[in-house]
Amino acid sequence: LAKTTQPISMDSYEGQEVNITCSHNNIATNDYITWYQQFPSQGPRFIIQGYKTKVTNEVASLFIPADRKSSTLSLPRVSLSDTAVYYCLVGDNTGKLIFGQGTTLQVKP
Amino acid sequence: DGGITQSPKYLFRKEGQNVTLSCEQNLNHDAMYWYRQDPGQGLRLIYYSQIVNDFQKGDIAEGYSVSREKKESFPLTVTSAQKNPTAFYLCASSTSAGPYEQYFGPGTRLTVT
Repeated sequence: LAKTTQPISMDSYEGQEVNITCSHNNIATNDYITWYQQFPSQGPRFIIQGYKTKVTNEVASLFIPADRKSSTLSLPRVSLSDTAVYYCLVGDNTGKLIFGQGTTLQVKP
Repeated sequence: DGGITQSPKYLFRKEGQNVTLSCEQNLNHDAMYWYRQDPGQGLRLIYYSQIVNDFQKGDIAEGYSVSREKKESFPLTVTSAQKNPTAFYLCASSTSAGPYEQYFGPGTRLTVT
């Protein structure tokens, strides 16, 4: 299974756009890229998923370059409630997902 | 409301006792998963099941056991053989058709003393 690497932590201020980049050099042809958000003592929550190019939903955008060896989660205009851990995962049709340490995002007022 | 329930939220046990954590889903999902999370760490896969009466070991299955007798239920037993059972346990489910979006329960925090 492909391993992912992302920054351990990031700081931002309310109202700013936050971009979290994840590298996945060994991504396989069948793999999709998925991002989850986790608050303390809660289960992770699905944010967005993509295979290539750009995907956008009501909470985030996901940018995936042509070689798919990295991806960037973009959170527009963050608020204090976006303070959480963000996980980048790469998975195939087996359903097995590998969670790394994630990126702890701290949003300051 | 559709979703995944885990009970109880907090569980305390003495060392040497087996304990079973409950996980139920009413999302009609075929696949279910158990993860363990330690402080400051990501989730690690214990067991997963893609269909009733079948399950596979994840990365850290030693000291744990599961059963999948019904589609809706996937209980996890933490046995006395698990050396460091104190952790946050999360159950998830997904459809069987990939790519998979996993839906997580609220978790059970197990403390063994």
